[in-house]
Amino acid sequence: KQEVTQIPAALSVPEGENLVLNCSFTDSAIYNLQWFRQDPGKGLTSLLLIQSSQREQTSGRLNASLDKSSGRSTLYIAASQPGDSATYLCAVRPYGNNRLAFGKGNQVVVIP
Amino acid sequence: NAGVTQTPKFQVLKTGQSMTLQCAQDMNHNSMYWYRQDPGMGLRLIYYSASEGTTDKGEVPNGYNVSRLNKREFSLRLESAAPSQTSVYFCASSESLAGEKLFFGSGTQLSVL
Repeated sequence: KQEVTQIPAALSVPEGENLVLNCSFTDSAIYNLQWFRQDPGKGLTSLLLIQSSQREQTSGRLNASLDKSSGRSTLYIAASQPGDSATYLCAVRPYGNNRLAFGKGNQVVVIP
Repeated sequence: NAGVTQTPKFQVLKTGQSMTLQCAQDMNHNSMYWYRQDPGMGLRLIYYSASEGTTDKGEVPNGYNVSRLNKREFSLRLESAAPSQTSVYFCASSESLAGEKLFFGSGTQLSVL
């Protein structure tokens, strides 16, 4: 069974610092990996989707990398802002399985 | 830009009552999903529908039923609510099961007393 881990569960950074969030998964046989953002009391918003054949995806200040062989992905947020405060979740879609496996998320607070 | 719309946003039930959570998407997506989110447990898939006319069990289907009414709508029914079903429920959709981005509704907070 695919297990997805995100450590630490919570972190705080001062505004302007770069944020680095890590996601690890146990089975490298995946279709893709997706990073989501969740604000309190809201649904999830997809930030970046990396297909298994790709190494990284970029959108604005966000960059996500994927190393399938080591079972790791990193979400990098440059020059963090208070508006980046949220919970970030990663999810992998395993081969031969229609169920996304979610991590429990990193709760991020950016301190002004 | 409605995306995925869920109703209601909040609901309180007594044990044994029934209710249906409604979900509709306006993106012409083929696949739709119901998840529940619990503290410490993360997101867990209840049921999904790969395309109109099909439904399949997810990780935690017991106590729930679903209906894919048409391409737009996917409802989740609790026939006899139990306190263990207190949770936040999310509906989601994607173009297909093949691996596109998932789009989520804003959730339904359900309490079963």
